[in-house]
Amino acid sequence: AQSVSQHNHHVILSEAASLELGCNYSYGGTVNLFWYVQYPGQHLQLLLKYFSGDPLVKGIKGFEAEFIKSKFSFNLRKPSVQWSDTAEYFCAVNAGNNRKLIWGLGTSLAVNP
Amino acid sequence: DTEVTQTPKHLVMGMTNKKSLKCEQHMGHRAMYWYKQKAKKPPELMFVYSYEKLSINESVPSRFSPECPNSSLLNLHLHALQPEDSALYLCASDSGTSGGPYQETQYFGPGTRLLVL
Repeated sequence: AQSVSQHNHHVILSEAASLELGCNYSYGGTVNLFWYVQYPGQHLQLLLKYFSGDPLVKGIKGFEAEFIKSKFSFNLRKPSVQWSDTAEYFCAVNAGNNRKLIWGLGTSLAVNP
Repeated sequence: DTEVTQTPKHLVMGMTNKKSLKCEQHMGHRAMYWYKQKAKKPPELMFVYSYEKLSINESVPSRFSPECPNSSLLNLHLHALQPEDSALYLCASDSGTSGGPYQETQYFGPGTRLLVL
């Protein structure tokens, strides 16, 4: 069965630190990859997505992610985090022609000012 | 306008009550979703409507009954719920146009926080 794993369940950083959140998926075929963010008390919103082409994708708020096919990974990065990046981050994968996303368990990021 | 609205924001109901959750979008989207989310967990897909037809039902208990009256509206009718059904219920939509590999952005509403006593 398809699955998505996010390695870090809780991450605590100080402002200006660099961030990398891991995401690995298990599916051998073509995949479409997403990172969603849920700020405290707010709705889920898309940070970035990868379908094809340049494996380094840029999203909103200075986030980027790199798709490494050989490693089945789609890690999220930000060079310098801010307190306002405190949120829950979810990696999601679609690996078929249906409309279903397979979600990772999420990473809770806390950024200390 | 990239907004999905949901009402009510909060709902408390007893196990014998009947209530409904409402979701609305005016983005012209033709696919709409119901998700259930527990605290600090990812959303769990419940139902998907595509062009007002139910296309995915993730083996959800019959005490949850979805309805899509038109392309802008999605309801979730609740009856005889259990305390473990307490959660945040999220609605989402996307354009519904991709017929092949799924490459859409889902737009989520703020959710209805449901407490079943």
